[in-house]
Amino acid sequence: AQSVTQPDIHITVSEGASLELRCNYSYGATPYLFWYVQSPGQGLQLLLKYFSGDTLVQGIKGFEAEFKRSQSSFNLRKPSVHWSDAAEYFCAVGAIIEAAGNKLTFGGGTRVLVKP
Amino acid sequence: DTEVTQTPKHLVMGMTNKKSLKCEQHMGHRAMYWYKQKAKKPPELMFVYSYEKLSINESVPSRFSPECPNSSLLNLHLHALQPEDSALYLCASSHPGRNYEQYFGPGTRLTVT
Repeated sequence: AQSVTQPDIHITVSEGASLELRCNYSYGATPYLFWYVQSPGQGLQLLLKYFSGDTLVQGIKGFEAEFKRSQSSFNLRKPSVHWSDAAEYFCAVGAIIEAAGNKLTFGGGTRVLVKP
Repeated sequence: DTEVTQTPKHLVMGMTNKKSLKCEQHMGHRAMYWYKQKAKKPPELMFVYSYEKLSINESVPSRFSPECPNSSLLNLHLHALQPEDSALYLCASSHPGRNYEQYFGPGTRLTVT
């Protein structure tokens, strides 16, 4: 069975500083990996996804993530954080359900706080 | 348009009530999902519909009854819920098959009293 670990429960970063969120996954085959962001009381917004190909993927809002198969990691980065980036971030691995999309397994989430 | 809508935004119900949550998408997606999210926890998959047929039920109690009346709509019927069922209920949709991401709605905040 697939699993996802996000080692950092909380991260506090100053506005304008860089941000890196860690994600480690366990999956028997080629993983389908996602990062979602959730503002308080809201739904999840997809930031980026990795299915195959280039291991450095670009997403929305200036985020990028790097897939490293040897380390079973898919870390999310942003060079310069804005106050509006304060939110909960979820890494997820998708298992294929035939003819039904992906079954997502989420990590526990990392809450990002941004200091002025 | 990549929007999934959910109604109502908030719902308070007693343990003997019957209520329904609704989800709608017009992206042509043929896979739709219900998730439950408790506070400070990740979403947990409850049900998956593919081409309007239930394809996955993650051992959800029968007091939750999903329904997919057509390719754009997904309902979750609630009956005899317990206080521990209070949570944010999220709907998502995607194209079925490989390589497609899920789009989430804003959720319904359910409180069972």
